Amino acid sequence: EADIYQTPRYLVIGTGKKITLECSQTMGHDKMYWYQQDPGMELHLIHYSYGVNSTEKGDLSSESTVSRIRTEHFPLTLESARPSHTSQYLCASSESWSRQYFGPGTRLTVT
Amino acid sequence: AQSVTQLDSHVSVSEGTPVLLRCNYSSSYSPSLFWYVQHPNKGLQLLLKYTSAATLVKGINGFEAEFKKSETSFHLTKPSAHMSDAAEYFCQGFQKLVFGTGTRLLVSP
Repeated sequence: EADIYQTPRYLVIGTGKKITLECSQTMGHDKMYWYQQDPGMELHLIHYSYGVNSTEKGDLSSESTVSRIRTEHFPLTLESARPSHTSQYLCASSESWSRQYFGPGTRLTVT
Repeated sequence: AQSVTQLDSHVSVSEGTPVLLRCNYSSSYSPSLFWYVQHPNKGLQLLLKYTSAATLVKGINGFEAEFKKSETSFHLTKPSAHMSDAAEYFCQGFQKLVFGTGTRLLVSP
């Protein structure tokens, strides 16, 4: 149903590495979001964007950064990964305030 | 400000019995409320949404939810559980992009 994609699906990296989690959608949605979810836990909004060149921090403080240069693309970057960044990262998009469409998620493990 | 509270972290039912997953909301205005389901290692899938058109909302896979303003509730129900319903369920209040803490539904044979 949803045309929203995340890569990679799984990533295991060492401490200190720079990583970028990709998220793209083909629905032309203006709004995009990143959530962080620890196993069996709730979702926390860490970043969102209401359009190109617009990015905001969410409710949960995160050391990650995002960019929105193109409507369809909303990558998340960690400059120096740490074990505390181990989590699942879910990307979502929406058109106005109707509903969110979620990607399959990226499960990140930092060793 | 809007918030949602899922009252149960785990719910266990037997296959074929009814399911009730509880969600209460607090909002100073008419809310938009959603229920999502998340299967292991998957993203969230929308089950149903309430946007003030009708208080009883029917969703996919036989789920439905009733918006009760007097009780500030939006509980998710299903008459008969199936093994494939075992998953994590999240209630969301959309204006503030707020999710509940989730309810894990366990279905036993």
